[in-house]
Amino acid sequence: EAAVTQSPRNKVTVTGGNVTLSCRQTNSHNYMYWYRQDTGHGLRLIHYSYGAGNLQIGDVPDGYKATRTTQEDFFLLLELASPSQTSLYFCASSDTQGCQNTLYFGAGTRLSVL
Amino acid sequence: GQQVKQSSPSLTVQEGGISILNCDYENDMFDYFAWYKKYPDNSPTLLISVRSNVDKREDGRLTVFLNKSGKHFSLHITASQPEDTAVYLCAAGDYGNEKITFGAGTKLTIKP
Repeated sequence: EAAVTQSPRNKVTVTGGNVTLSCRQTNSHNYMYWYRQDTGHGLRLIHYSYGAGNLQIGDVPDGYKATRTTQEDFFLLLELASPSQTSLYFCASSDTQGCQNTLYFGAGTRLSVL
Repeated sequence: GQQVKQSSPSLTVQEGGISILNCDYENDMFDYFAWYKKYPDNSPTLLISVRSNVDKREDGRLTVFLNKSGKHFSLHITASQPEDTAVYLCAAGDYGNEKITFGAGTKLTIKP
């Protein structure tokens, strides 16, 4: 079973604050993803990456930066947090070998922006 | 726009019945289709997936049907059980760029 660890699990910040969400996977997967989950919207893709130093833009990237420092670590940065970014954030990794593209999700980070 | 759409936000099925969950997509390039299950306060987990070269895949009580011409795929759960109560998320992707897009989810409730 793939292991994806997110930290922190919960975070509260104020409007305009600076937040970094961390994600580490220990299964040598190529791809890593950041999603946000909101009621009525399911999972929406913010950014993703296929390797260290690479960044691909997702569907809802505004207000977010991301950086993939190593194959294991993928960070999501909110430099001027806004209340609209209050959400549950999931990180995932996937192994694109063969015909499968299974996403393995972390436990999630619940972010509240006051 | 919403590239992957689940038009039913909720579905209630009697225990023992067949649950049918539907998903529509817009992008002709999608060639990977999947269903994930999510319990409250848990992360999504993959149930079943197919590539575009098949139109049906079975795994136990689960069957995925793919209709590429109609840009539609569905998940059928036979002999539905209370533990099937969860949110079901459909997902689609393009094998070339590995961008996986999810639908908004359908909350399935199995009534005993």
